[in-house]
Amino acid sequence: GENVEQHPSTLSVQEGDSAVIKCTYSDSASNYFPWYKQELGKRPQLIIDIRSNVGEKKDQRIAVTLNKTAKHFSLHITETQPEDSAVYFCAAILTGGGNKLTFGTGTQLKVEL
Amino acid sequence: GAVVSQHPSWVICKSGTSVKIECRSLDFQATTMFWYRQFPKQSLMLMATSNEGSKATYEQGVEKDKFLINHASLTLSTLTVTSAHPEDSSFYICSARLGGLQETQYFGPGTRLLVL
Repeated sequence: GENVEQHPSTLSVQEGDSAVIKCTYSDSASNYFPWYKQELGKRPQLIIDIRSNVGEKKDQRIAVTLNKTAKHFSLHITETQPEDSAVYFCAAILTGGGNKLTFGTGTQLKVEL
Repeated sequence: GAVVSQHPSWVICKSGTSVKIECRSLDFQATTMFWYRQFPKQSLMLMATSNEGSKATYEQGVEKDKFLINHASLTLSTLTVTSAHPEDSSFYICSARLGGLQETQYFGPGTRLLVL
């Protein structure tokens, strides 16, 4: 089955700096990679996703890059703000294989003033 | 669009009792729903995949007789934790997929279960 590793587990940045979270996956057939933001006690919220036929996707301050050869993908947040503080999860899915999401272990991002 | 609700949001029960959690897709039909469990400071762990009109598919290590799943309609799936014990205390979250080739899963707000 799919295995997703995520680093770092905690990340502290100054407001305005960039934050990068990296994930690797094991199943080369995986073809959909969403990123979720989860605030304490709340539901995971989809913030961006990328499919395997695309190398990069950007939405305002958030971008995701995918390297299929190396089987890793990264989340980039620029101009971080205190409200970006949360736990971020990457995930990978093999569509057609039950569409089961395999989540990474999560990154606690703290944006300090 | 794509709103998923869960009920209840909080439940406290005595050890040995059963607890039912409902997951509803409010503005779309979901042929597939998923149930996750999340312990404090940990990731989401898939428990089972719920398919409308058929038996749920459980992940390895999840007891199907303890976690009963029913997906009787395209907008409702229920998870019943039978004979709950303190170690079942956790945050239970459902998600729903639009269907077809849509991969995106939309999550419910979660149900926090505390078993005394």
